Formats: sequence, C-alpha cells, structure tokens
Amino acid sequence: ILNVEQSPQSLHVQEGDSTNFTCSFPSSNFYALHWYRWETAKSPEALFVMTLNGDEKKKGRISATLNTKEGYSYLYIKGSQPEDSATYLCASTGMEYGNKLVFGAGTILRVKS
Amino acid sequence: DTGVSQNPRHKITKRGQNVTFRCDPISEHNRLYWYRQTLGQGPEFLTYFQNEAQLEKSRLLSDRFSAERPKGSFSTLEIQRTEQGDSAMYLCASSRGLAGAYEQYFGPGTRLTVT
Repeated sequence: ILNVEQSPQSLHVQEGDSTNFTCSFPSSNFYALHWYRWETAKSPEALFVMTLNGDEKKKGRISATLNTKEGYSYLYIKGSQPEDSATYLCASTGMEYGNKLVFGAGTILRVKS
Repeated sequence: DTGVSQNPRHKITKRGQNVTFRCDPISEHNRLYWYRQTLGQGPEFLTYFQNEAQLEKSRLLSDRFSAERPKGSFSTLEIQRTEQGDSAMYLCASSRGLAGAYEQYFGPGTRLTVT
C-alpha cells in the first residue's frame, strides 16, 4: 500500500518567516513526487514534479528537495507572505501504481501580516 | 489554454437522488482523472481515462458511481442513489502524459452536499 504522510498538519507563521514542510513516502518502487498548492475556492496548482534522487527545484521563493532513498521531500518557503496561505499537498506514485497519484492529507499554512 | 473547468461548483441534493457532474479538461490533454476529497484528507483517486477509454477504477468507486468520457473530451461523473457519505469535493484533473512524469491540472471542484 502506498501511504503518503505530511507534517505538520498545520502551520501559522508571521509574514517574513521562512518555513518548511515534510512529505514522507515509501522509497521502494518510487517513480515521482508532486507538490501542489491549493488556495481556498481555487483549483490545486502544480508546483513541482520531481523524479530523481537529490533533485532540487525552485519557483520564486518556494523550493523543494527530494530524497528517494529514504523516502522524503521537503518544501521550503522563504520569506512567507500572506498570499502563500494555502494547503500544500504532496503526492507520490510508485512503479506498480501506474497512473494513480496518492496524496498526503496536506499541510495548511497560514501567514499573518 | 483556458484551464480545467467543472460544473456545477456546488450541488446540494437529497439522499437517494441522482447527480451528475461535468469536467472539461484542457483541450490537448488526453488523460483525465477524477478524485474525491473529504475534510482533513488529501484527494483520493477515483478513476482515470486515456482519451475515451476508462483504464482504471478505484475500489472506492462503488457501482453507484459511473464515469464517461464519450468523445475523449469532456467527462461526466454520475452518482446514483446518493448517500450522505458521498458528501465531498469532487475534483477533476487532466494531463498530457502519465501521472508520474507530468503535472496534473486541476479544476476548481464540485462540492456535493447530500442531506
């Protein structure tokens, strides 16, 4: 069974703080790891798709790293802004899961100005 | 590229009624996915189409649920004899390749409330 865990469940930070979240997934038969941002009343938005061990990706103030050997990914937000407030979802798929993404429960981020 | 659209955005229905949701994917995407998301959980995979062929169905998709993608473009998800446990956000997504390698583009979802 492919089980994806995210921590923390929620996070409240002040504007300007940097923060990070964790996504854990089974390392065996790993194929890809996705990060999405989901703002209230909007569509989930893809941030990164990562496949290679040691991969690092960056989009503006947001970056992510991937460790497929130990089965975790970190998402970092530098200098959080109120507009970063959203639920951050990670999803993984393994070789035997084909086209199915298995999502974690998400980390809810609230940035106070 | 106008994005993925879903209709309706909200649906309130009484237990036992049938409901149908529609998803219009990004036009050049041949893969279309349906997910269900309940409070405190991430989206759960329901079913997947490649063009008009439904290639995979989750065991979450009971026989009260049926999905179609008749011409490989838009898709519909029908729930017959709705139950209160069907209350959830139903998300549609599309992609131009396999889920692993390509990001999925999501619609805004249809929130179903069964009373």
